[in-house]
Amino acid sequence: GEDVEQSLFLSVREGDSSVINCTYTDSSSTYLYWYKQEPGAGLQLLTYIFSNMDMKQDQRLTVLLNKKDKHLSLRIADTQTGDSAIYFCAAGSSGGYQKVTFGTGTKLQVIP
Amino acid sequence: GAVVSQHPSWVICKSGTSVKIECRSLDFQATTMFWYRQFPKQSLMLMATSNEGSKATYEQGVEKDKFLINHASLTLSTLTVTSAHPEDSSFYICSASPGADTQYFGPGTRLTVL
Repeated sequence: GEDVEQSLFLSVREGDSSVINCTYTDSSSTYLYWYKQEPGAGLQLLTYIFSNMDMKQDQRLTVLLNKKDKHLSLRIADTQTGDSAIYFCAAGSSGGYQKVTFGTGTKLQVIP
Repeated sequence: GAVVSQHPSWVICKSGTSVKIECRSLDFQATTMFWYRQFPKQSLMLMATSNEGSKATYEQGVEKDKFLINHASLTLSTLTVTSAHPEDSSFYICSASPGADTQYFGPGTRLTVL
């Protein structure tokens, strides 16, 4: 089955850029997602990218996809203290219904 | 935007009792709903997938008789934790999919079994 991996922790200074990396194993994954989870809350979909794209930008967020290496990254420009949260990468396949496999999450700590 | 609600948002119950959690898609019809479980400091684990009007498909290792799922309509799915025990304490999150491209997540239900 699909395996999605992320580093566990990232610490950045306020105003710097944050880059959270993710790798997945199933080359047939069609949709790749980034979710944000604040303490005690559910997941919030930040953005997603189709496997036929290599970049997607949405305001401060930039997603890069290297399909050959099965590597996904999320860049947050001008990181703010409100960005402190756990970020989950997820990979989904299509067909019938979509089964999504989540990574373990990366805890982003923003230092003022 | 698409909104998914869960009720209750948190629940405390005694060991041996059953607890029902509702998941509703408020402004769209969800052909498929998913139930996840999240242990502290861990990722989500898919428990089961349910399609409206049919039996849920459970992931390996998830007890069907323990976690009863009913997807009665295109906007409502329920998860019943039967004879709950302290090890069932967790954060349960549902998601709803209107189609093939994405899932919208509910805010989660925190279950504490005493």
